[in-house]
Amino acid sequence: DAKTTQPNSMESNEEEPVHLPCNHSTISGTDYIHWYRQLPSQGPEYVIHGLTSNVNNRMASLAIAEDRKSSTLILHRATLRDAAVYYCILTKGNEKLTFGTGTRLTIIP
Amino acid sequence: GAVVSQHPSWVICKSGTSVKIECRSLDFQATTMFWYRQFPKQSLMLMATSNEGSKATYEQGVEKDKFLINHASLTLSTLTVTSAHPEDSSFYICSARNRETQYFGPGTRLLVL
Repeated sequence: DAKTTQPNSMESNEEEPVHLPCNHSTISGTDYIHWYRQLPSQGPEYVIHGLTSNVNNRMASLAIAEDRKSSTLILHRATLRDAAVYYCILTKGNEKLTFGTGTRLTIIP
Repeated sequence: GAVVSQHPSWVICKSGTSVKIECRSLDFQATTMFWYRQFPKQSLMLMATSNEGSKATYEQGVEKDKFLINHASLTLSTLTVTSAHPEDSSFYICSARNRETQYFGPGTRLLVL
């Protein structure tokens, strides 16, 4: 399985944009880039996913590098409710998800 | 997004008893569901893949006779922890796949005394 690398933790101020990086230098052409987040004592929540092009939805934006070896999850305006562990996961569509350690995002009021 | 529910949300049981956890996809049909386990301060670990109408596929190191999985319909999968022991205390989370995305339940916290 292609592996991802994320910083262990990040901090951001409330109401400011947050850029969460993910490196996946061994990504294959058929790997989708998925982002999930997990709030304390809850199951993971789907955030966004993409293949090659940048993606936007109501929760976030996903910026994918041209060579696809890295991507960035963008939260446009962080709130306290965005404090969570964010996971960047590669999967070939119908495969199981393998979770790494993710990035623990702390929002500073 | 799609909704997945789990029941119960938490359970406390005595050592040696069996506990059943239900996972339902509420607004879509899921031919494939997954069961994960998460210990404190650790990431999610996949236990097994549940396919409707067939036997589950277990990850290496997960005892299939201890963690019984039944996926009898396109909207329901159950995980039964048989003869539970304190070391089985954990946060159990299911997910259901809808197209290329997985949607997760809220989790079930199991405490075995």
